[in-house]
Amino acid sequence: GDSVTQMEGPVTLSEEAFLTINCTYTATGYPSLFWYVQYPGEGLQLLLKATKADDKGSNKGFEATYRKETTSFHLEKGSVQVSDSAVYFCALSDKDKFYFGSGTKLNVKP
Amino acid sequence: DVKVTQSSRYLVKRTGEKVFLECVQDMDHENMFWYRQDPGLGLRLIYFSYDVKMKEKGDIPEGYSVSREKKERFSLILESASTNQTSMYLCASSLGGVEYGYTFGSGTRLTVV
Repeated sequence: GDSVTQMEGPVTLSEEAFLTINCTYTATGYPSLFWYVQYPGEGLQLLLKATKADDKGSNKGFEATYRKETTSFHLEKGSVQVSDSAVYFCALSDKDKFYFGSGTKLNVKP
Repeated sequence: DVKVTQSSRYLVKRTGEKVFLECVQDMDHENMFWYRQDPGLGLRLIYFSYDVKMKEKGDIPEGYSVSREKKERFSLILESASTNQTSMYLCASSLGGVEYGYTFGSGTRLTVV
């Protein structure tokens, strides 16, 4: 069945460091891929998405490229800020059903 | 912007009570979902609905039921609350189609004592 695996956290970085959060997936069809962010005490917000192979999603300085050959959708940001501290979820959508990774907590220190 | 509103941010209920969690969306979305979120377990799908009066079990439906009498409203019901149902509950809606993401509500943190 479909599934998403993302790196365990927490990830702790200093401000302005480079961020990578790894995400790989297994899917039987042709899924769309998403990154969601959850700030403390809040629900999940869509951060970016990609709907087909080689698409790059981007938003607020974050990027992720849909790599079909490696079944990956890694999240990157060149320079993180304290305000990026949150939990990040990788997800795929296949046949109207979503599958979420377990989430990666990011702590950014000043 | 689509808005998904969950009626309560925090709830405290007693064991054995019947609990209703309400979710309303304002953009005529077909699909609505209920998840629970627990540390170390991520998001787990409880129930979902693709149309009015329609419901489907997700991965962990035991101890829950749902109601969708109107398109915009999707209610989660805990028939007899238990302490292991203490959790964050998240409602989501989507337009449909694999390319659309979910829009989530802010969540309801339920504590059963």
